[in-house]
Amino acid sequence: AQTVTQSQPEMSVQEAETVTLSCTYDTSESDYYLFWYKQPPSRQMILVIRQEAYKQQNATENRFSVNFQKAAKSFSLKISDSQLGDAAMYFCAYRTSLTQGGSEKLVFGKGMKLTVNP
Amino acid sequence: GAVVSQHPSWVICKSGTSVKIECRSLDFQATTMFWYRQFPKQSLMLMATSNEGSKATYEQGVEKDKFLINHASLTLSTLTVTSAHPEDSSFYICSAEPTVSTEAFFGQGTRLTVV
Repeated sequence: AQTVTQSQPEMSVQEAETVTLSCTYDTSESDYYLFWYKQPPSRQMILVIRQEAYKQQNATENRFSVNFQKAAKSFSLKISDSQLGDAAMYFCAYRTSLTQGGSEKLVFGKGMKLTVNP
Repeated sequence: GAVVSQHPSWVICKSGTSVKIECRSLDFQATTMFWYRQFPKQSLMLMATSNEGSKATYEQGVEKDKFLINHASLTLSTLTVTSAHPEDSSFYICSAEPTVSTEAFFGQGTRLTVV
């Protein structure tokens, strides 16, 4: 079974600075998807960024980018120019690719609370 | 992006009663929906996978007779917590994916309090 590990339960960053959230995962599959979700105090889950395992290029979405190291099974999220609105719980998640068959369900890490200091 | 609506956003019920939570995909069809439970300061725990027109698939340790799931149409799944007890108090979240997408869209969640 796949597992997702977020080893840092909490982090803080100064506004306008950069922070990196770490995530590692374990799988025997070759094709899959990785996601970072944000859960603000409203508790609405919001997709931040996604990465397809077969793509070598790291995904970027404005201030958010990932460092995807497939061989190391590492998937870190970098937030640049941190803003107060970035404060939230961040969850790393794994999903099997449809080509692999099996379940479509997401496997989540335990999450990490990010605090942004003004 | 696609919208998933979950209702109610919060509910308080008496111990022993049943509560129904609805999850609707508003602008897409979803053959599969997922139900999660989240305890304070913890991650989302998958409870079950809801399949349109067939029985739900429950995760290990989840009582299927207590958490009844019905997925009667391509846009609606319901979770009924039967004979609720205080230990069932939690935050419940649903998600759905458009048929040809690999992105899950989440409902707003339902905070259930059993008194």
